[in-house]
Amino acid sequence: NAGVTQTPKFRILKIGQSMTLQCTQDMNHNYMYWYRQDPGMGLKLIYYSVGAGITDKGEVPNGYNVSRSTTEDFPLRLELAAPSQTSVYFCASNVGGGYTFGSGTRLTVV
Amino acid sequence: GQQLNQSPQSMFIQEGEDVSMNCTSSSIFNTWLWYKQEPGEGPVLLIALYKAGELTSNGRLTAQFGITRKDSFLNISASIPSDVGIYFCAGFPHDMRFGAGTRLTVKP
Repeated sequence: NAGVTQTPKFRILKIGQSMTLQCTQDMNHNYMYWYRQDPGMGLKLIYYSVGAGITDKGEVPNGYNVSRSTTEDFPLRLELAAPSQTSVYFCASNVGGGYTFGSGTRLTVV
Repeated sequence: GQQLNQSPQSMFIQEGEDVSMNCTSSSIFNTWLWYKQEPGEGPVLLIALYKAGELTSNGRLTAQFGITRKDSFLNISASIPSDVGIYFCAGFPHDMRFGAGTRLTVKP
């Protein structure tokens, strides 16, 4: 049972490049979330999903897109990377009250 | 969206001391969660609270769901060096929002 798996762990992007952060969970959880954490700060919700085919914006959705075609996968897309998107990105899933976080993707945009 | 205010921002305490931190919300929550995050890791759930007034313990940690459903607190008794980390409150009815965290330093 792998829990929540995020890839890649690290990535450096140039301004204007695009990339997809992958998140997959094997616990059959309906709810999935993407957060970003800036240095020394708390987590900010980017997008979340309550089930396959359903996504909704969180606090800081601008510059990101998501999709949820399956229960297992919840990829986060950056279309035009900007320095302000340098952060650590965490994916999480839950059913009921038990949240599980991935180990994070550290993204630097230069 | 709902705002979560967590305090204090940071604490520097001596080993063996008790610690108390709290979170308040601008709206009513159905669930309060307390997490700990260590450097380079994702948050790890410590305690989950589901009912107003609920008091739950996990070892030396105790958390309570406020009666108004707009606040929660976390106490750590007899702190030890491995308690060092950032403690986050989180809560939601629909989507989980986090407080800004309390950075705890424990001096031996």
